[in-house]
Amino acid sequence: NAGVTQTPKFQVLKTGQSMTLQCAQDMNHNSMYWYRQDPGMGLRLIYYSASEGTTDKGEVPNGYNVSRLNKREFSLRLESAAPSQTSVYFCASSQTGPAAGELFFGEGSRLTVL
Amino acid sequence: QKEVEQNSGPLSVPEGAIASLNCTYSDRGSQSFFWYRQYSGKSPELIMSIYSNGDKEDGRFTAQLNKASQYVSLLIRDSQPSDSATYLCALSGYALNFGKGTSLLVTP
Repeated sequence: NAGVTQTPKFQVLKTGQSMTLQCAQDMNHNSMYWYRQDPGMGLRLIYYSASEGTTDKGEVPNGYNVSRLNKREFSLRLESAAPSQTSVYFCASSQTGPAAGELFFGEGSRLTVL
Repeated sequence: QKEVEQNSGPLSVPEGAIASLNCTYSDRGSQSFFWYRQYSGKSPELIMSIYSNGDKEDGRFTAQLNKASQYVSLLIRDSQPSDSATYLCALSGYALNFGKGTSLLVTP
């Protein structure tokens, strides 16, 4: 049981380059999330998708776009990377309803923007 | 934005002692509360959830919720070096809102 799978695990970009972080879950969860984690800042929500076909902005959406490709997959795109986007990115998924707070996280993607 | 406050630590306790981690929150309407554990370089994992006032026990872990005072705490009994990690408090909204975490160090 793979759970939540993120790719790539590590990436180095130059300022202005674009890239897409991929996320897939095999738990048949409706909800999926992208968080970023920076030292001293905790986990901050970038975007979330409550169900297939819907996406909503979180706390820090600027500079990012997302696509909920199907129920399993939720991708995060950086169109023009900036050094401020250097971070660890976590994808997560959950059921809806009372269990919505029980998130299952991927292993994280460590992104460095030079 | 719902505020979730945690002391960043580090909280250092000797092996076998009780570790007490605290979290306060600003939104009185919050209904569901969670504790996640995150080892260095790893992703967070859920260890406890609590939805009603009082205590909830699971093995060595006890979560305590007091909605009137707007705090939630996590007690770890018989602390082990393997408990050394960052503990994240979270509360529900349209998505989970996390505190910045408390670093716990259990010394042998």
